[in-house]
Amino acid sequence: AQTVTQSQPEMSVQEAETVTLSCTYDTSESNYYLFWYKQPPSRQMILVIRQEAYKQQNATENRFSVNFQKAAKSFSLKISDSQLGDTAMYFCAFMKNTNAGKSTFGDGTTLTVKP
Amino acid sequence: GAVVSQHPSWVICKSGTSVKIECRSLDFQATTMFWYRQFPKQSLMLMATSNEGSKATYEQGVEKDKFLINHASLTLSTLTVTSAHPEDSSFYICSAVNWDSRNQPQHFGDGTRLSIL
Repeated sequence: AQTVTQSQPEMSVQEAETVTLSCTYDTSESNYYLFWYKQPPSRQMILVIRQEAYKQQNATENRFSVNFQKAAKSFSLKISDSQLGDTAMYFCAFMKNTNAGKSTFGDGTTLTVKP
Repeated sequence: GAVVSQHPSWVICKSGTSVKIECRSLDFQATTMFWYRQFPKQSLMLMATSNEGSKATYEQGVEKDKFLINHASLTLSTLTVTSAHPEDSSFYICSAVNWDSRNQPQHFGDGTRLSIL
C-alpha cells in the first residue's frame, strides 16, 4: 500500500515571499502520478499541479512549481510570490498508473499567507 | 470541461431521517466515482468507489447499510445516509473520472455539508 506523508501541519508566509511545502511518499510502483491539491476555506478541491513519475522535468504552473526527487520519493511544492488567495489547506496525493483516479492523500498542510 | 456538480451543498436534518446526496458529471461520462468524508482540518477519507452499473466497493470500516451508494448511470452517483445520527455530521465530497482518461486526476464536486440535529 502507498503512503503519503506531509510533515508540516501548518505553515505561514508573508505576502510576496516564497514558501515550500514538503511531501514524501512510499511506494514500490515505478509508474505513477503525483498531485498537489488546494482546498481554500470554501472547501472546494482545486488541482494545483500534476507530475508524471516517468518525467524527469519538474512540473510548473505559473507561480507553482515542484521539486520531484524520484529516488528520494520526495515531491515538494514551491509557491512563489505568495498571495493572500493562496491561503488554504494543501494536499499531496499519489495515484498508481493503473488506478483510474483512485488516489492516496496526505494529511494536508494548512498554509496562511500574511499581509 | 470536466465539471462535477454535487447537490445539495448544505443540508440540516433531524436525527433518524435519511439524506440523499447527488453527484453528477455534467460534461463527461463518469465510469468511476469516489465518495469521501472529511472532518474539519483533516484529510479526505475515501469511503467507497463506485463503477457505473455495478456495486460499490467500500473501504474497510465503512458501513454498507449505513451509506448506500448507487451509480446507475454514467453521469450520476448518489450517496444515501440512512437513519442519520449526529455522528454522521460531516463534509462529504464526491469525485469522478472517466476510464478513457484514467491517468488524469479526479474531478471533484464542491462538497456537501451535512448537519444532523
